[in-house]
Amino acid sequence: LAKTTQPISMDSYEGQEVNITCSHNNIATNDYITWYQQFPSQGPRFIIQGYKTKVTNEVASLFIPADRKSSTLSLPRVSLSDTAVYYCLVGETGANNLFFGTGTRLTVIP
Amino acid sequence: DAGITQSPRHKVTETGTPVTLRCHQTENHRYMYWYRQDPGHGLRLIHYSYGVKDTDKGEVSDGYSVSRSKTEDFLLTLESATSSQTSVYFCAIKSGIGYGYTFGSGTRLTVV
Repeated sequence: LAKTTQPISMDSYEGQEVNITCSHNNIATNDYITWYQQFPSQGPRFIIQGYKTKVTNEVASLFIPADRKSSTLSLPRVSLSDTAVYYCLVGETGANNLFFGTGTRLTVIP
Repeated sequence: DAGITQSPRHKVTETGTPVTLRCHQTENHRYMYWYRQDPGHGLRLIHYSYGVKDTDKGEVSDGYSVSRSKTEDFLLTLESATSSQTSVYFCAIKSGIGYGYTFGSGTRLTVV
């Protein structure tokens, strides 16, 4: 399993764009990159998944460079409700033991 | 959330007693998972199931057993609870390629 490294915490003001970068130097050919969001007292929630280049949905964008050794989750114009822990996971879509790590705690400041 | 419920939501039990947590899904997914979450450790896989009566161990399976007699229910049992098993337990289902996992709301278990 490819391990990931991401910042422990980040602060941002409301309305700003937030970029959280994840390093995964040992990513394998069949691995996808998936991000989850977790609010206090709730289970993680799937945000976005990608393999290469750029993926965008109604919540976030995921940027993956050509070498795939890192990825960046971009949250446009964050609000207080985006305060949460964000996890970067790397693994095959069919894998049964994904490594969650401790994630990045994002705090949005008014 | 997405047809997955956990019960109970909170439980306090004494050391040495058996405890069973239940995960119920309404979407007929084949794969179900039990994770525990502790400060400083993120989420760690305990056991998972890939069908009725088909289960396998995860990273931290010692002290836990599971059963799946019906597609919709996945039970996690602590045969003799210990204080080190105080944690928040999450059940999850695999929602399909491109959709990741869907997690339940969690069970907060305290062993005193």
